[in-house]
Amino acid sequence: GAGVSQSPSNKVTEKGKDVELRCDPISGHTALYWYRQRLGQGLEFLIYFQGNSAPDKSGLPSDRFSAERTGESVSTLTIQRTQQEDSAVYLCASSFLPAGGIYNEQFFGPGTRLTVL
Amino acid sequence: KNQVEQSPQSLIILEGKNCTLQCNYTVSPFSNLRWYKQDTGRGPVSLTIMTFSENTKSNRRYTATLDADTKQSSLHITASQLSDSASYICVVSTASKLTFGTGTRLQVTL
Repeated sequence: GAGVSQSPSNKVTEKGKDVELRCDPISGHTALYWYRQRLGQGLEFLIYFQGNSAPDKSGLPSDRFSAERTGESVSTLTIQRTQQEDSAVYLCASSFLPAGGIYNEQFFGPGTRLTVL
Repeated sequence: KNQVEQSPQSLIILEGKNCTLQCNYTVSPFSNLRWYKQDTGRGPVSLTIMTFSENTKSNRRYTATLDADTKQSSLHITASQLSDSASYICVVSTASKLTFGTGTRLQVTL
């Protein structure tokens, strides 16, 4: 596809369950980012991948959160033992070049809306 | 600490009117500043990007300005349309990291 895709679009889970969120970046984009956006709030950086490695995991809120990327393509964000405060939209973005640079435009996916009951 | 502050938090205007959104930042060292539009339920989409040497940049009815000395930027929307209703996010970058503002929620009404 032409853009970043994420699945599922919506996920409702019970407190304490594990969830996996998937991101398919734009083909050829080396950098991939995960963000969290709580209702009415700004984007909160979680983790950044360059290729399959994650040089910046500083935004992961706790050890319940983990992410991996394989084949310099798809990425999975896993939240273990979900809590109600994990409810948010999780956005994925990809860019051709690494973070921050002038030619590094991040293209965002539509997000996964996670609701923890 | 790198921060990006936007004002107002929310704004309601009539269709056809103009409006200006503000962004103040303390990000250093500065690389570039972007404005994104985020429609409800969608991911953000880039509107403009400006480097240190650029004072203004336009994209259709959107005009962004940058004053690197005062570390301020604005986004001016001309002749607003209902489809402009969205959140507008200011993002300031160093060479390696982006800092996001919390956005201004704009509602354009009839």
